[in-house]
Amino acid sequence: EPEVTQTPSHQVTQMGQEVILRCVPISNHLYFYWYRQILGQKVEFLVSFYNNEISEKSEIFDDQFSVERPDGSNFTLKIRSTKLEDSAMYFCASSERQGASNQPQHFGDGTRLSIL
Amino acid sequence: AQKITQTQPGMFVQEKEAVTLDCTYDTSDPSYGLFWYKQPSSGEMIFLIYQGSYDQQNATEGRYSLNFQKARKSANLVISASQLGDSAMYFCANGGPTDKLIFGTGTRLQVFP
Repeated sequence: EPEVTQTPSHQVTQMGQEVILRCVPISNHLYFYWYRQILGQKVEFLVSFYNNEISEKSEIFDDQFSVERPDGSNFTLKIRSTKLEDSAMYFCASSERQGASNQPQHFGDGTRLSIL
Repeated sequence: AQKITQTQPGMFVQEKEAVTLDCTYDTSDPSYGLFWYKQPSSGEMIFLIYQGSYDQQNATEGRYSLNFQKARKSANLVISASQLGDSAMYFCANGGPTDKLIFGTGTRLQVFP
């Protein structure tokens, strides 16, 4: 079964450093998402992306965050200057169509980001 | 605004028994979806089952079924014949006309022999 793959599985970074989290969505999916889960808390939406543009973002997704689809397969989340509170599990997800009401979003295994 | 409530922080069930995980939702959207995801201790999020707001029948996927009661705004997950491998966190989520899923706080299920 096709799946979303994320690399690395665990990233340790010094506070203030830039970090890039990578994702390969399911190949025929056109809509991509990033979510985060702070340890012990619920999963929170960050951003959705379609046709090389952000289609929706949450208040968490501030100027420190950016997303990009640098080629035909990868989808990346960049955090420019990491803070301690950025420590979390980051999930990439993808779906075939737009909208979250009528189809599942398929999640990757996540990248655990630890900021020191 | 969308909201998902999972009132059971933890549940225990004996192997081979059925268990119901509760989920209530609040949304003003006429069209929405309800989803359940499983998160094992290894951390990944696994999609289990989906119910659309206009679906007349309750969704089923193998041992998983969704008890959808629209008037009560509940979408409980029923796992039949529990297995040890079902031990995990379970998250209910709501999707509306926008792109984002809104998740509940989760229920930790432990299956014992």
